[in-house]
Amino acid sequence: GDSVTQMEGPVTLSEEAFLTINCTYTATGYPSLFWYVQYPGEGLQLLLKATKADDKGSNKGFEATYRKETTSFHLEKGSVQVSDSAVYFCALNPLSGGSYIPTFGRGTSLIVHP
Amino acid sequence: EAGVAQSPRYKIIEKRQSVAFWCNPISGHATLYWYQQILGQGPKLLIQFQNNGVVDDSQLPKDRFSAERLKGVDSTLKIQPAKLEDSAVYLCASSLEAPGQGPYEQYFGPGTRLTVT
Repeated sequence: GDSVTQMEGPVTLSEEAFLTINCTYTATGYPSLFWYVQYPGEGLQLLLKATKADDKGSNKGFEATYRKETTSFHLEKGSVQVSDSAVYFCALNPLSGGSYIPTFGRGTSLIVHP
Repeated sequence: EAGVAQSPRYKIIEKRQSVAFWCNPISGHATLYWYQQILGQGPKLLIQFQNNGVVDDSQLPKDRFSAERLKGVDSTLKIQPAKLEDSAVYLCASSLEAPGQGPYEQYFGPGTRLTVT
């Protein structure tokens, strides 16, 4: 079945460091890919998405490129801030039987120190 | 725009008791999802409705879990009887997806934290 694999956390960085959170997937067809973020004490919210191969999603300085050849959707940010501390979830949404059925990764916790 | 509402926010029950959760999605959203999120894991889809029909419930433990979405708006998720391993956060989400459209962003509610003792 469809699945998402994320790197283990927590990822601990100093402010202004470069961030990469790896995400790979297995799916039939061509799913849309998403990153959701959960800040402490809040609900999940969409960070960015990409709907087809080579698309780049971006938001709040975060970017991720849909790589079909490596089945990956790695999240990157050039300079993290303390306020980026959160749990990040990679998700895919393949079309199945005429509807989109979402699957989430286990999440990667990011801790940014001043 | 009001977000996805869920209640209660917290619930503590003993094993073998029953419990129900309620969700009110964003107005106009055709698709509603229930997820189970165990501590340290990602959300696991339990059931997905589109309007008042079930799109997917392949991961719903149907011997103890049930869900309904009357009139294609509000939804309830019930567990009867509860087990210790049901301790988790139950998330409700909604999206604009209608048949033949999507995928769209999901909007999540705050969740209900269930503790089974």
